[in-house]
Amino acid sequence: EAGVAQSPRYKIIEKRQSVAFWCNPISGHATLYWYQQILGQGPKLLIQFQNNGVVDDSQLPKDRFSAERLKGVDSTLKIQPAKLEDSAVYLCASSLPYTDTQYFGPGTRLTVL
Amino acid sequence: KQEVTQIPAALSVPEGENLVLNCSFTDSAIYNLQWFRQDPGKGLTSLLLIQSSQREQTSGRLNASLDKSSGRSTLYIAASQPGDSATYLCAVNVGGQGGSEKLVFGKGTKLTVNP
Repeated sequence: EAGVAQSPRYKIIEKRQSVAFWCNPISGHATLYWYQQILGQGPKLLIQFQNNGVVDDSQLPKDRFSAERLKGVDSTLKIQPAKLEDSAVYLCASSLPYTDTQYFGPGTRLTVL
Repeated sequence: KQEVTQIPAALSVPEGENLVLNCSFTDSAIYNLQWFRQDPGKGLTSLLLIQSSQREQTSGRLNASLDKSSGRSTLYIAASQPGDSATYLCAVNVGGQGGSEKLVFGKGTKLTVNP
């Protein structure tokens, strides 16, 4: 069974630029999560999708972050414009609905200069 | 607001030693608690999940306990090996909307097992 795929693995941009991350969840997983993990911290949930609907985006900085999940499969997370404090690893996870196990992708490491 | 604390932040032990990692949480209203392992450049791997009604779970050399009333969990690793070197994260499920899972993570304990 293929795992959660994310791309790119690494991205370096300058502040005020835009960036987008892509996630392909495990086949059949209706629930998809985006997390932000700043160096030395635990992951923090940014947004959760159930199919293509948003379940929880309470911690998403909506003035600069946006996410979508078209057709209930792949998802993209966008930052526009980026700030220095957005430097972090962005993790995508997926799960079957109403289960306790999330499967995590390898993450995208973003550096904002 | 749920807060999860892990102690120590880093731990270095010789190979073969038994060790304990600690996790505490401020609100006992949780559905379950998970211990994850994170290797550099890789995602998280779930090690053990303890439901709120359970006291402990075991998998191989790993044993996790949960004392929900006191807001504490421990991860015990027996006979540590260099391959156990990684960051270990504790996460509590506080429940999301519509019965979904919402995890709150600690900052992790970075474990180094020296040959």
